[in-house]
Amino acid sequence: AQSVTQLGSHVSVSEGALVLLRCNYSSSVPPYLFWYVQYPNQGLQLLLKYTSAATLVKGINGFEAEFKKSETSFHLTKPSAHMSDAAEYFCAVTLNFGNEKLTFGTGTRLTIIP
Amino acid sequence: DTGVSQDPRHKITKRGQNVTFRCDPISEHNRLYWYRQTLGQGPEFLTYFQNEAQLEKSRLLSDRFSAERPKGSFSTLEIQRTEQGDSAMYLCASSLPLSTSGSGEQFFGPGTRLTVL
Repeated sequence: AQSVTQLGSHVSVSEGALVLLRCNYSSSVPPYLFWYVQYPNQGLQLLLKYTSAATLVKGINGFEAEFKKSETSFHLTKPSAHMSDAAEYFCAVTLNFGNEKLTFGTGTRLTIIP
Repeated sequence: DTGVSQDPRHKITKRGQNVTFRCDPISEHNRLYWYRQTLGQGPEFLTYFQNEAQLEKSRLLSDRFSAERPKGSFSTLEIQRTEQGDSAMYLCASSLPLSTSGSGEQFFGPGTRLTVL
């Protein structure tokens, strides 16, 4: 079975500062990994995905993530935070067989300090 | 393609009542998933369909829950005899199989927020 751990349920950064949201996964087979963003009372929007190609993945809104197999990590970063980045971020994992359901972490709420 | 839609967006009901939610997936997607998200948690898998066949149900899906996807298009999720613990956001997502899409990306609807009084 696969699982995801997101360290830090709340992260606050100043506007213009580096954003780092942590995600570690557990999987018995090579995983497919995703970062989704959720704004209040809305569904989830895909930020980026890792599908066993390049280990450094670039997504929308200036976000990127690096897959590190040795550390079982898939941390999300953005060089310079913007006020509009304030939201809840979820890391998710799926396997390339069976029901292909997404298993989510508990989420990290990102607050941007003006 | 207008994305995944869900109706209603909000539902307030009294304990013991039945409720039904609808999800319209992206038209060419043959996979449809239902997830439940409670406050402060990530979404949890409930069930999924490939075309009209319901292929898996989570143990989270008690006997009071039933889902259908007639004709492999829209899907409904019904909760009978609602309980306060059913209060949550119910999310629907659709996708193509990973073997087709190459990524397994799921596209989410806006969700239906259920409040049981």
